[in-house]
Amino acid sequence: GENVEQHPSTLSVQEGDSAVIKCTYSDSASNYFPWYKQELGKGPQLIIDIRSNVGEKKDQRIAVTLNKTAKHFSLHITETQPEDSAVYFCAATPTSKKLVFGAGTILRVKS
Amino acid sequence: KAGVTQTPRYLIKTRGQQVTLSCSPISGHRSVSWYQQTPGQGLQFLFEYFSETQRNKGNFPGRFSGRQFSNSRSEMNVSTLELGDSALYLCASSPDSYGYTFGSGTRLTVV
Repeated sequence: GENVEQHPSTLSVQEGDSAVIKCTYSDSASNYFPWYKQELGKGPQLIIDIRSNVGEKKDQRIAVTLNKTAKHFSLHITETQPEDSAVYFCAATPTSKKLVFGAGTILRVKS
Repeated sequence: KAGVTQTPRYLIKTRGQQVTLSCSPISGHRSVSWYQQTPGQGLQFLFEYFSETQRNKGNFPGRFSGRQFSNSRSEMNVSTLELGDSALYLCASSPDSYGYTFGSGTRLTVV
């Protein structure tokens, strides 16, 4: 079945710097790749997603890139702010239509 | 619009008991999925329902079951609770198996 690996497990950046989180997936049939942000005591919140027919998608300070050939996708956050501090999860959706999550990245933005 | 509502938010149960968790999806969403989140295993897929039919099931024992009603509300049940079932149980809804919105979860503690 699908397996998603996520790196790094923790990431500390200075406020205003950029943060990049990378994920790789194993099932070439996966066609949907969402990113979620989870704050303490809350459920995961969808922040951006991309489908396999698109190579890049941007929403204000957040962007996602997808390389289908290499089977990896990345989350880019520019001009980080303290409120960006949270746990971020990538996921892939194989043909079974379930979300397979990465292990998560703890992002700390230091002010 | 109202988000995904999960009740109760917290539960404490004794080993051997059974528990039922409830999820009300976003109005109009026909797909409801359940996930278990633990520090050790991360986010793991339990099952997905679409129009009252279980469309997909994860690798959990038969003690974990669910159902979906005609109004798309869903319940999951865990019988013969074990200490290892302690987790955050998350429900997510979607109109079409993409763009899942998660609820805040039910924190289950088994003692």
